[in-house]
Amino acid sequence: ETGVTQTPRHLVMGMTNKKSLKCEQHLGHNAMYWYKQSAKKPLELMFVYSLEERVENNSVPSRFSPECPNSSHLFLHLHTLQPEDSALYLCASSQVGQAIAIEKLFFGSGTQLSVL
Amino acid sequence: TQLLEQSPQFLSIQEGENLTVYCNSSSVFSSLQWYRQEPGEGPVLLVTVVTGGEVKKLKRLTFQFGDARKDSSLHITAAQTGDTGLYLCAGVGTSGTYKYIFGTGTRLKVLA
Repeated sequence: ETGVTQTPRHLVMGMTNKKSLKCEQHLGHNAMYWYKQSAKKPLELMFVYSLEERVENNSVPSRFSPECPNSSHLFLHLHTLQPEDSALYLCASSQVGQAIAIEKLFFGSGTQLSVL
Repeated sequence: TQLLEQSPQFLSIQEGENLTVYCNSSSVFSSLQWYRQEPGEGPVLLVTVVTGGEVKKLKRLTFQFGDARKDSSLHITAAQTGDTGLYLCAGVGTSGTYKYIFGTGTRLKVLA
């Protein structure tokens, strides 16, 4: 079993569809993240769930809605997306509270999303 | 807003050549990480540097953290085709939304 698993790997959706991305981590970590990776742009943090607290990037549109039912599972619900939302969506986990030299992000393989 | 600029953005070299990638910011970070991302996969951590001036070696890769903890470099000696990928630096802050600030990335292609 890989550490962080994302499904689906690829998703094509129309602008009126509703879909969800799923992420599961098997590492026993206490924080999970959603990142957006677009061409020619740095990795953009969208949401963090850490120690049962949610932190969000205020620039993320409301058409993206995260859900974290427990420390191992993370969802990203998508509705009425725009073509510019097409990107690679990466999930990551980490163990917060360790020494800064040890803490690191473990990423899943991502979901390549295309919005038509 | 904290930003990390990486240079060069793209690099195509022959196997056996040496290269250096730079990661620069005007902000001070608690530590700095380097990740490598291969096509179709997520980034994987290569190294974390914590102390200003610190140098770490990982086989043919040498990482350095600037004295002021604002910049870093990655040097690859005798590049191999397996080094091909996207190299990302990430400045690590203390907490919150901007705990990990990722750089703009350097896409490296090593030709046989």
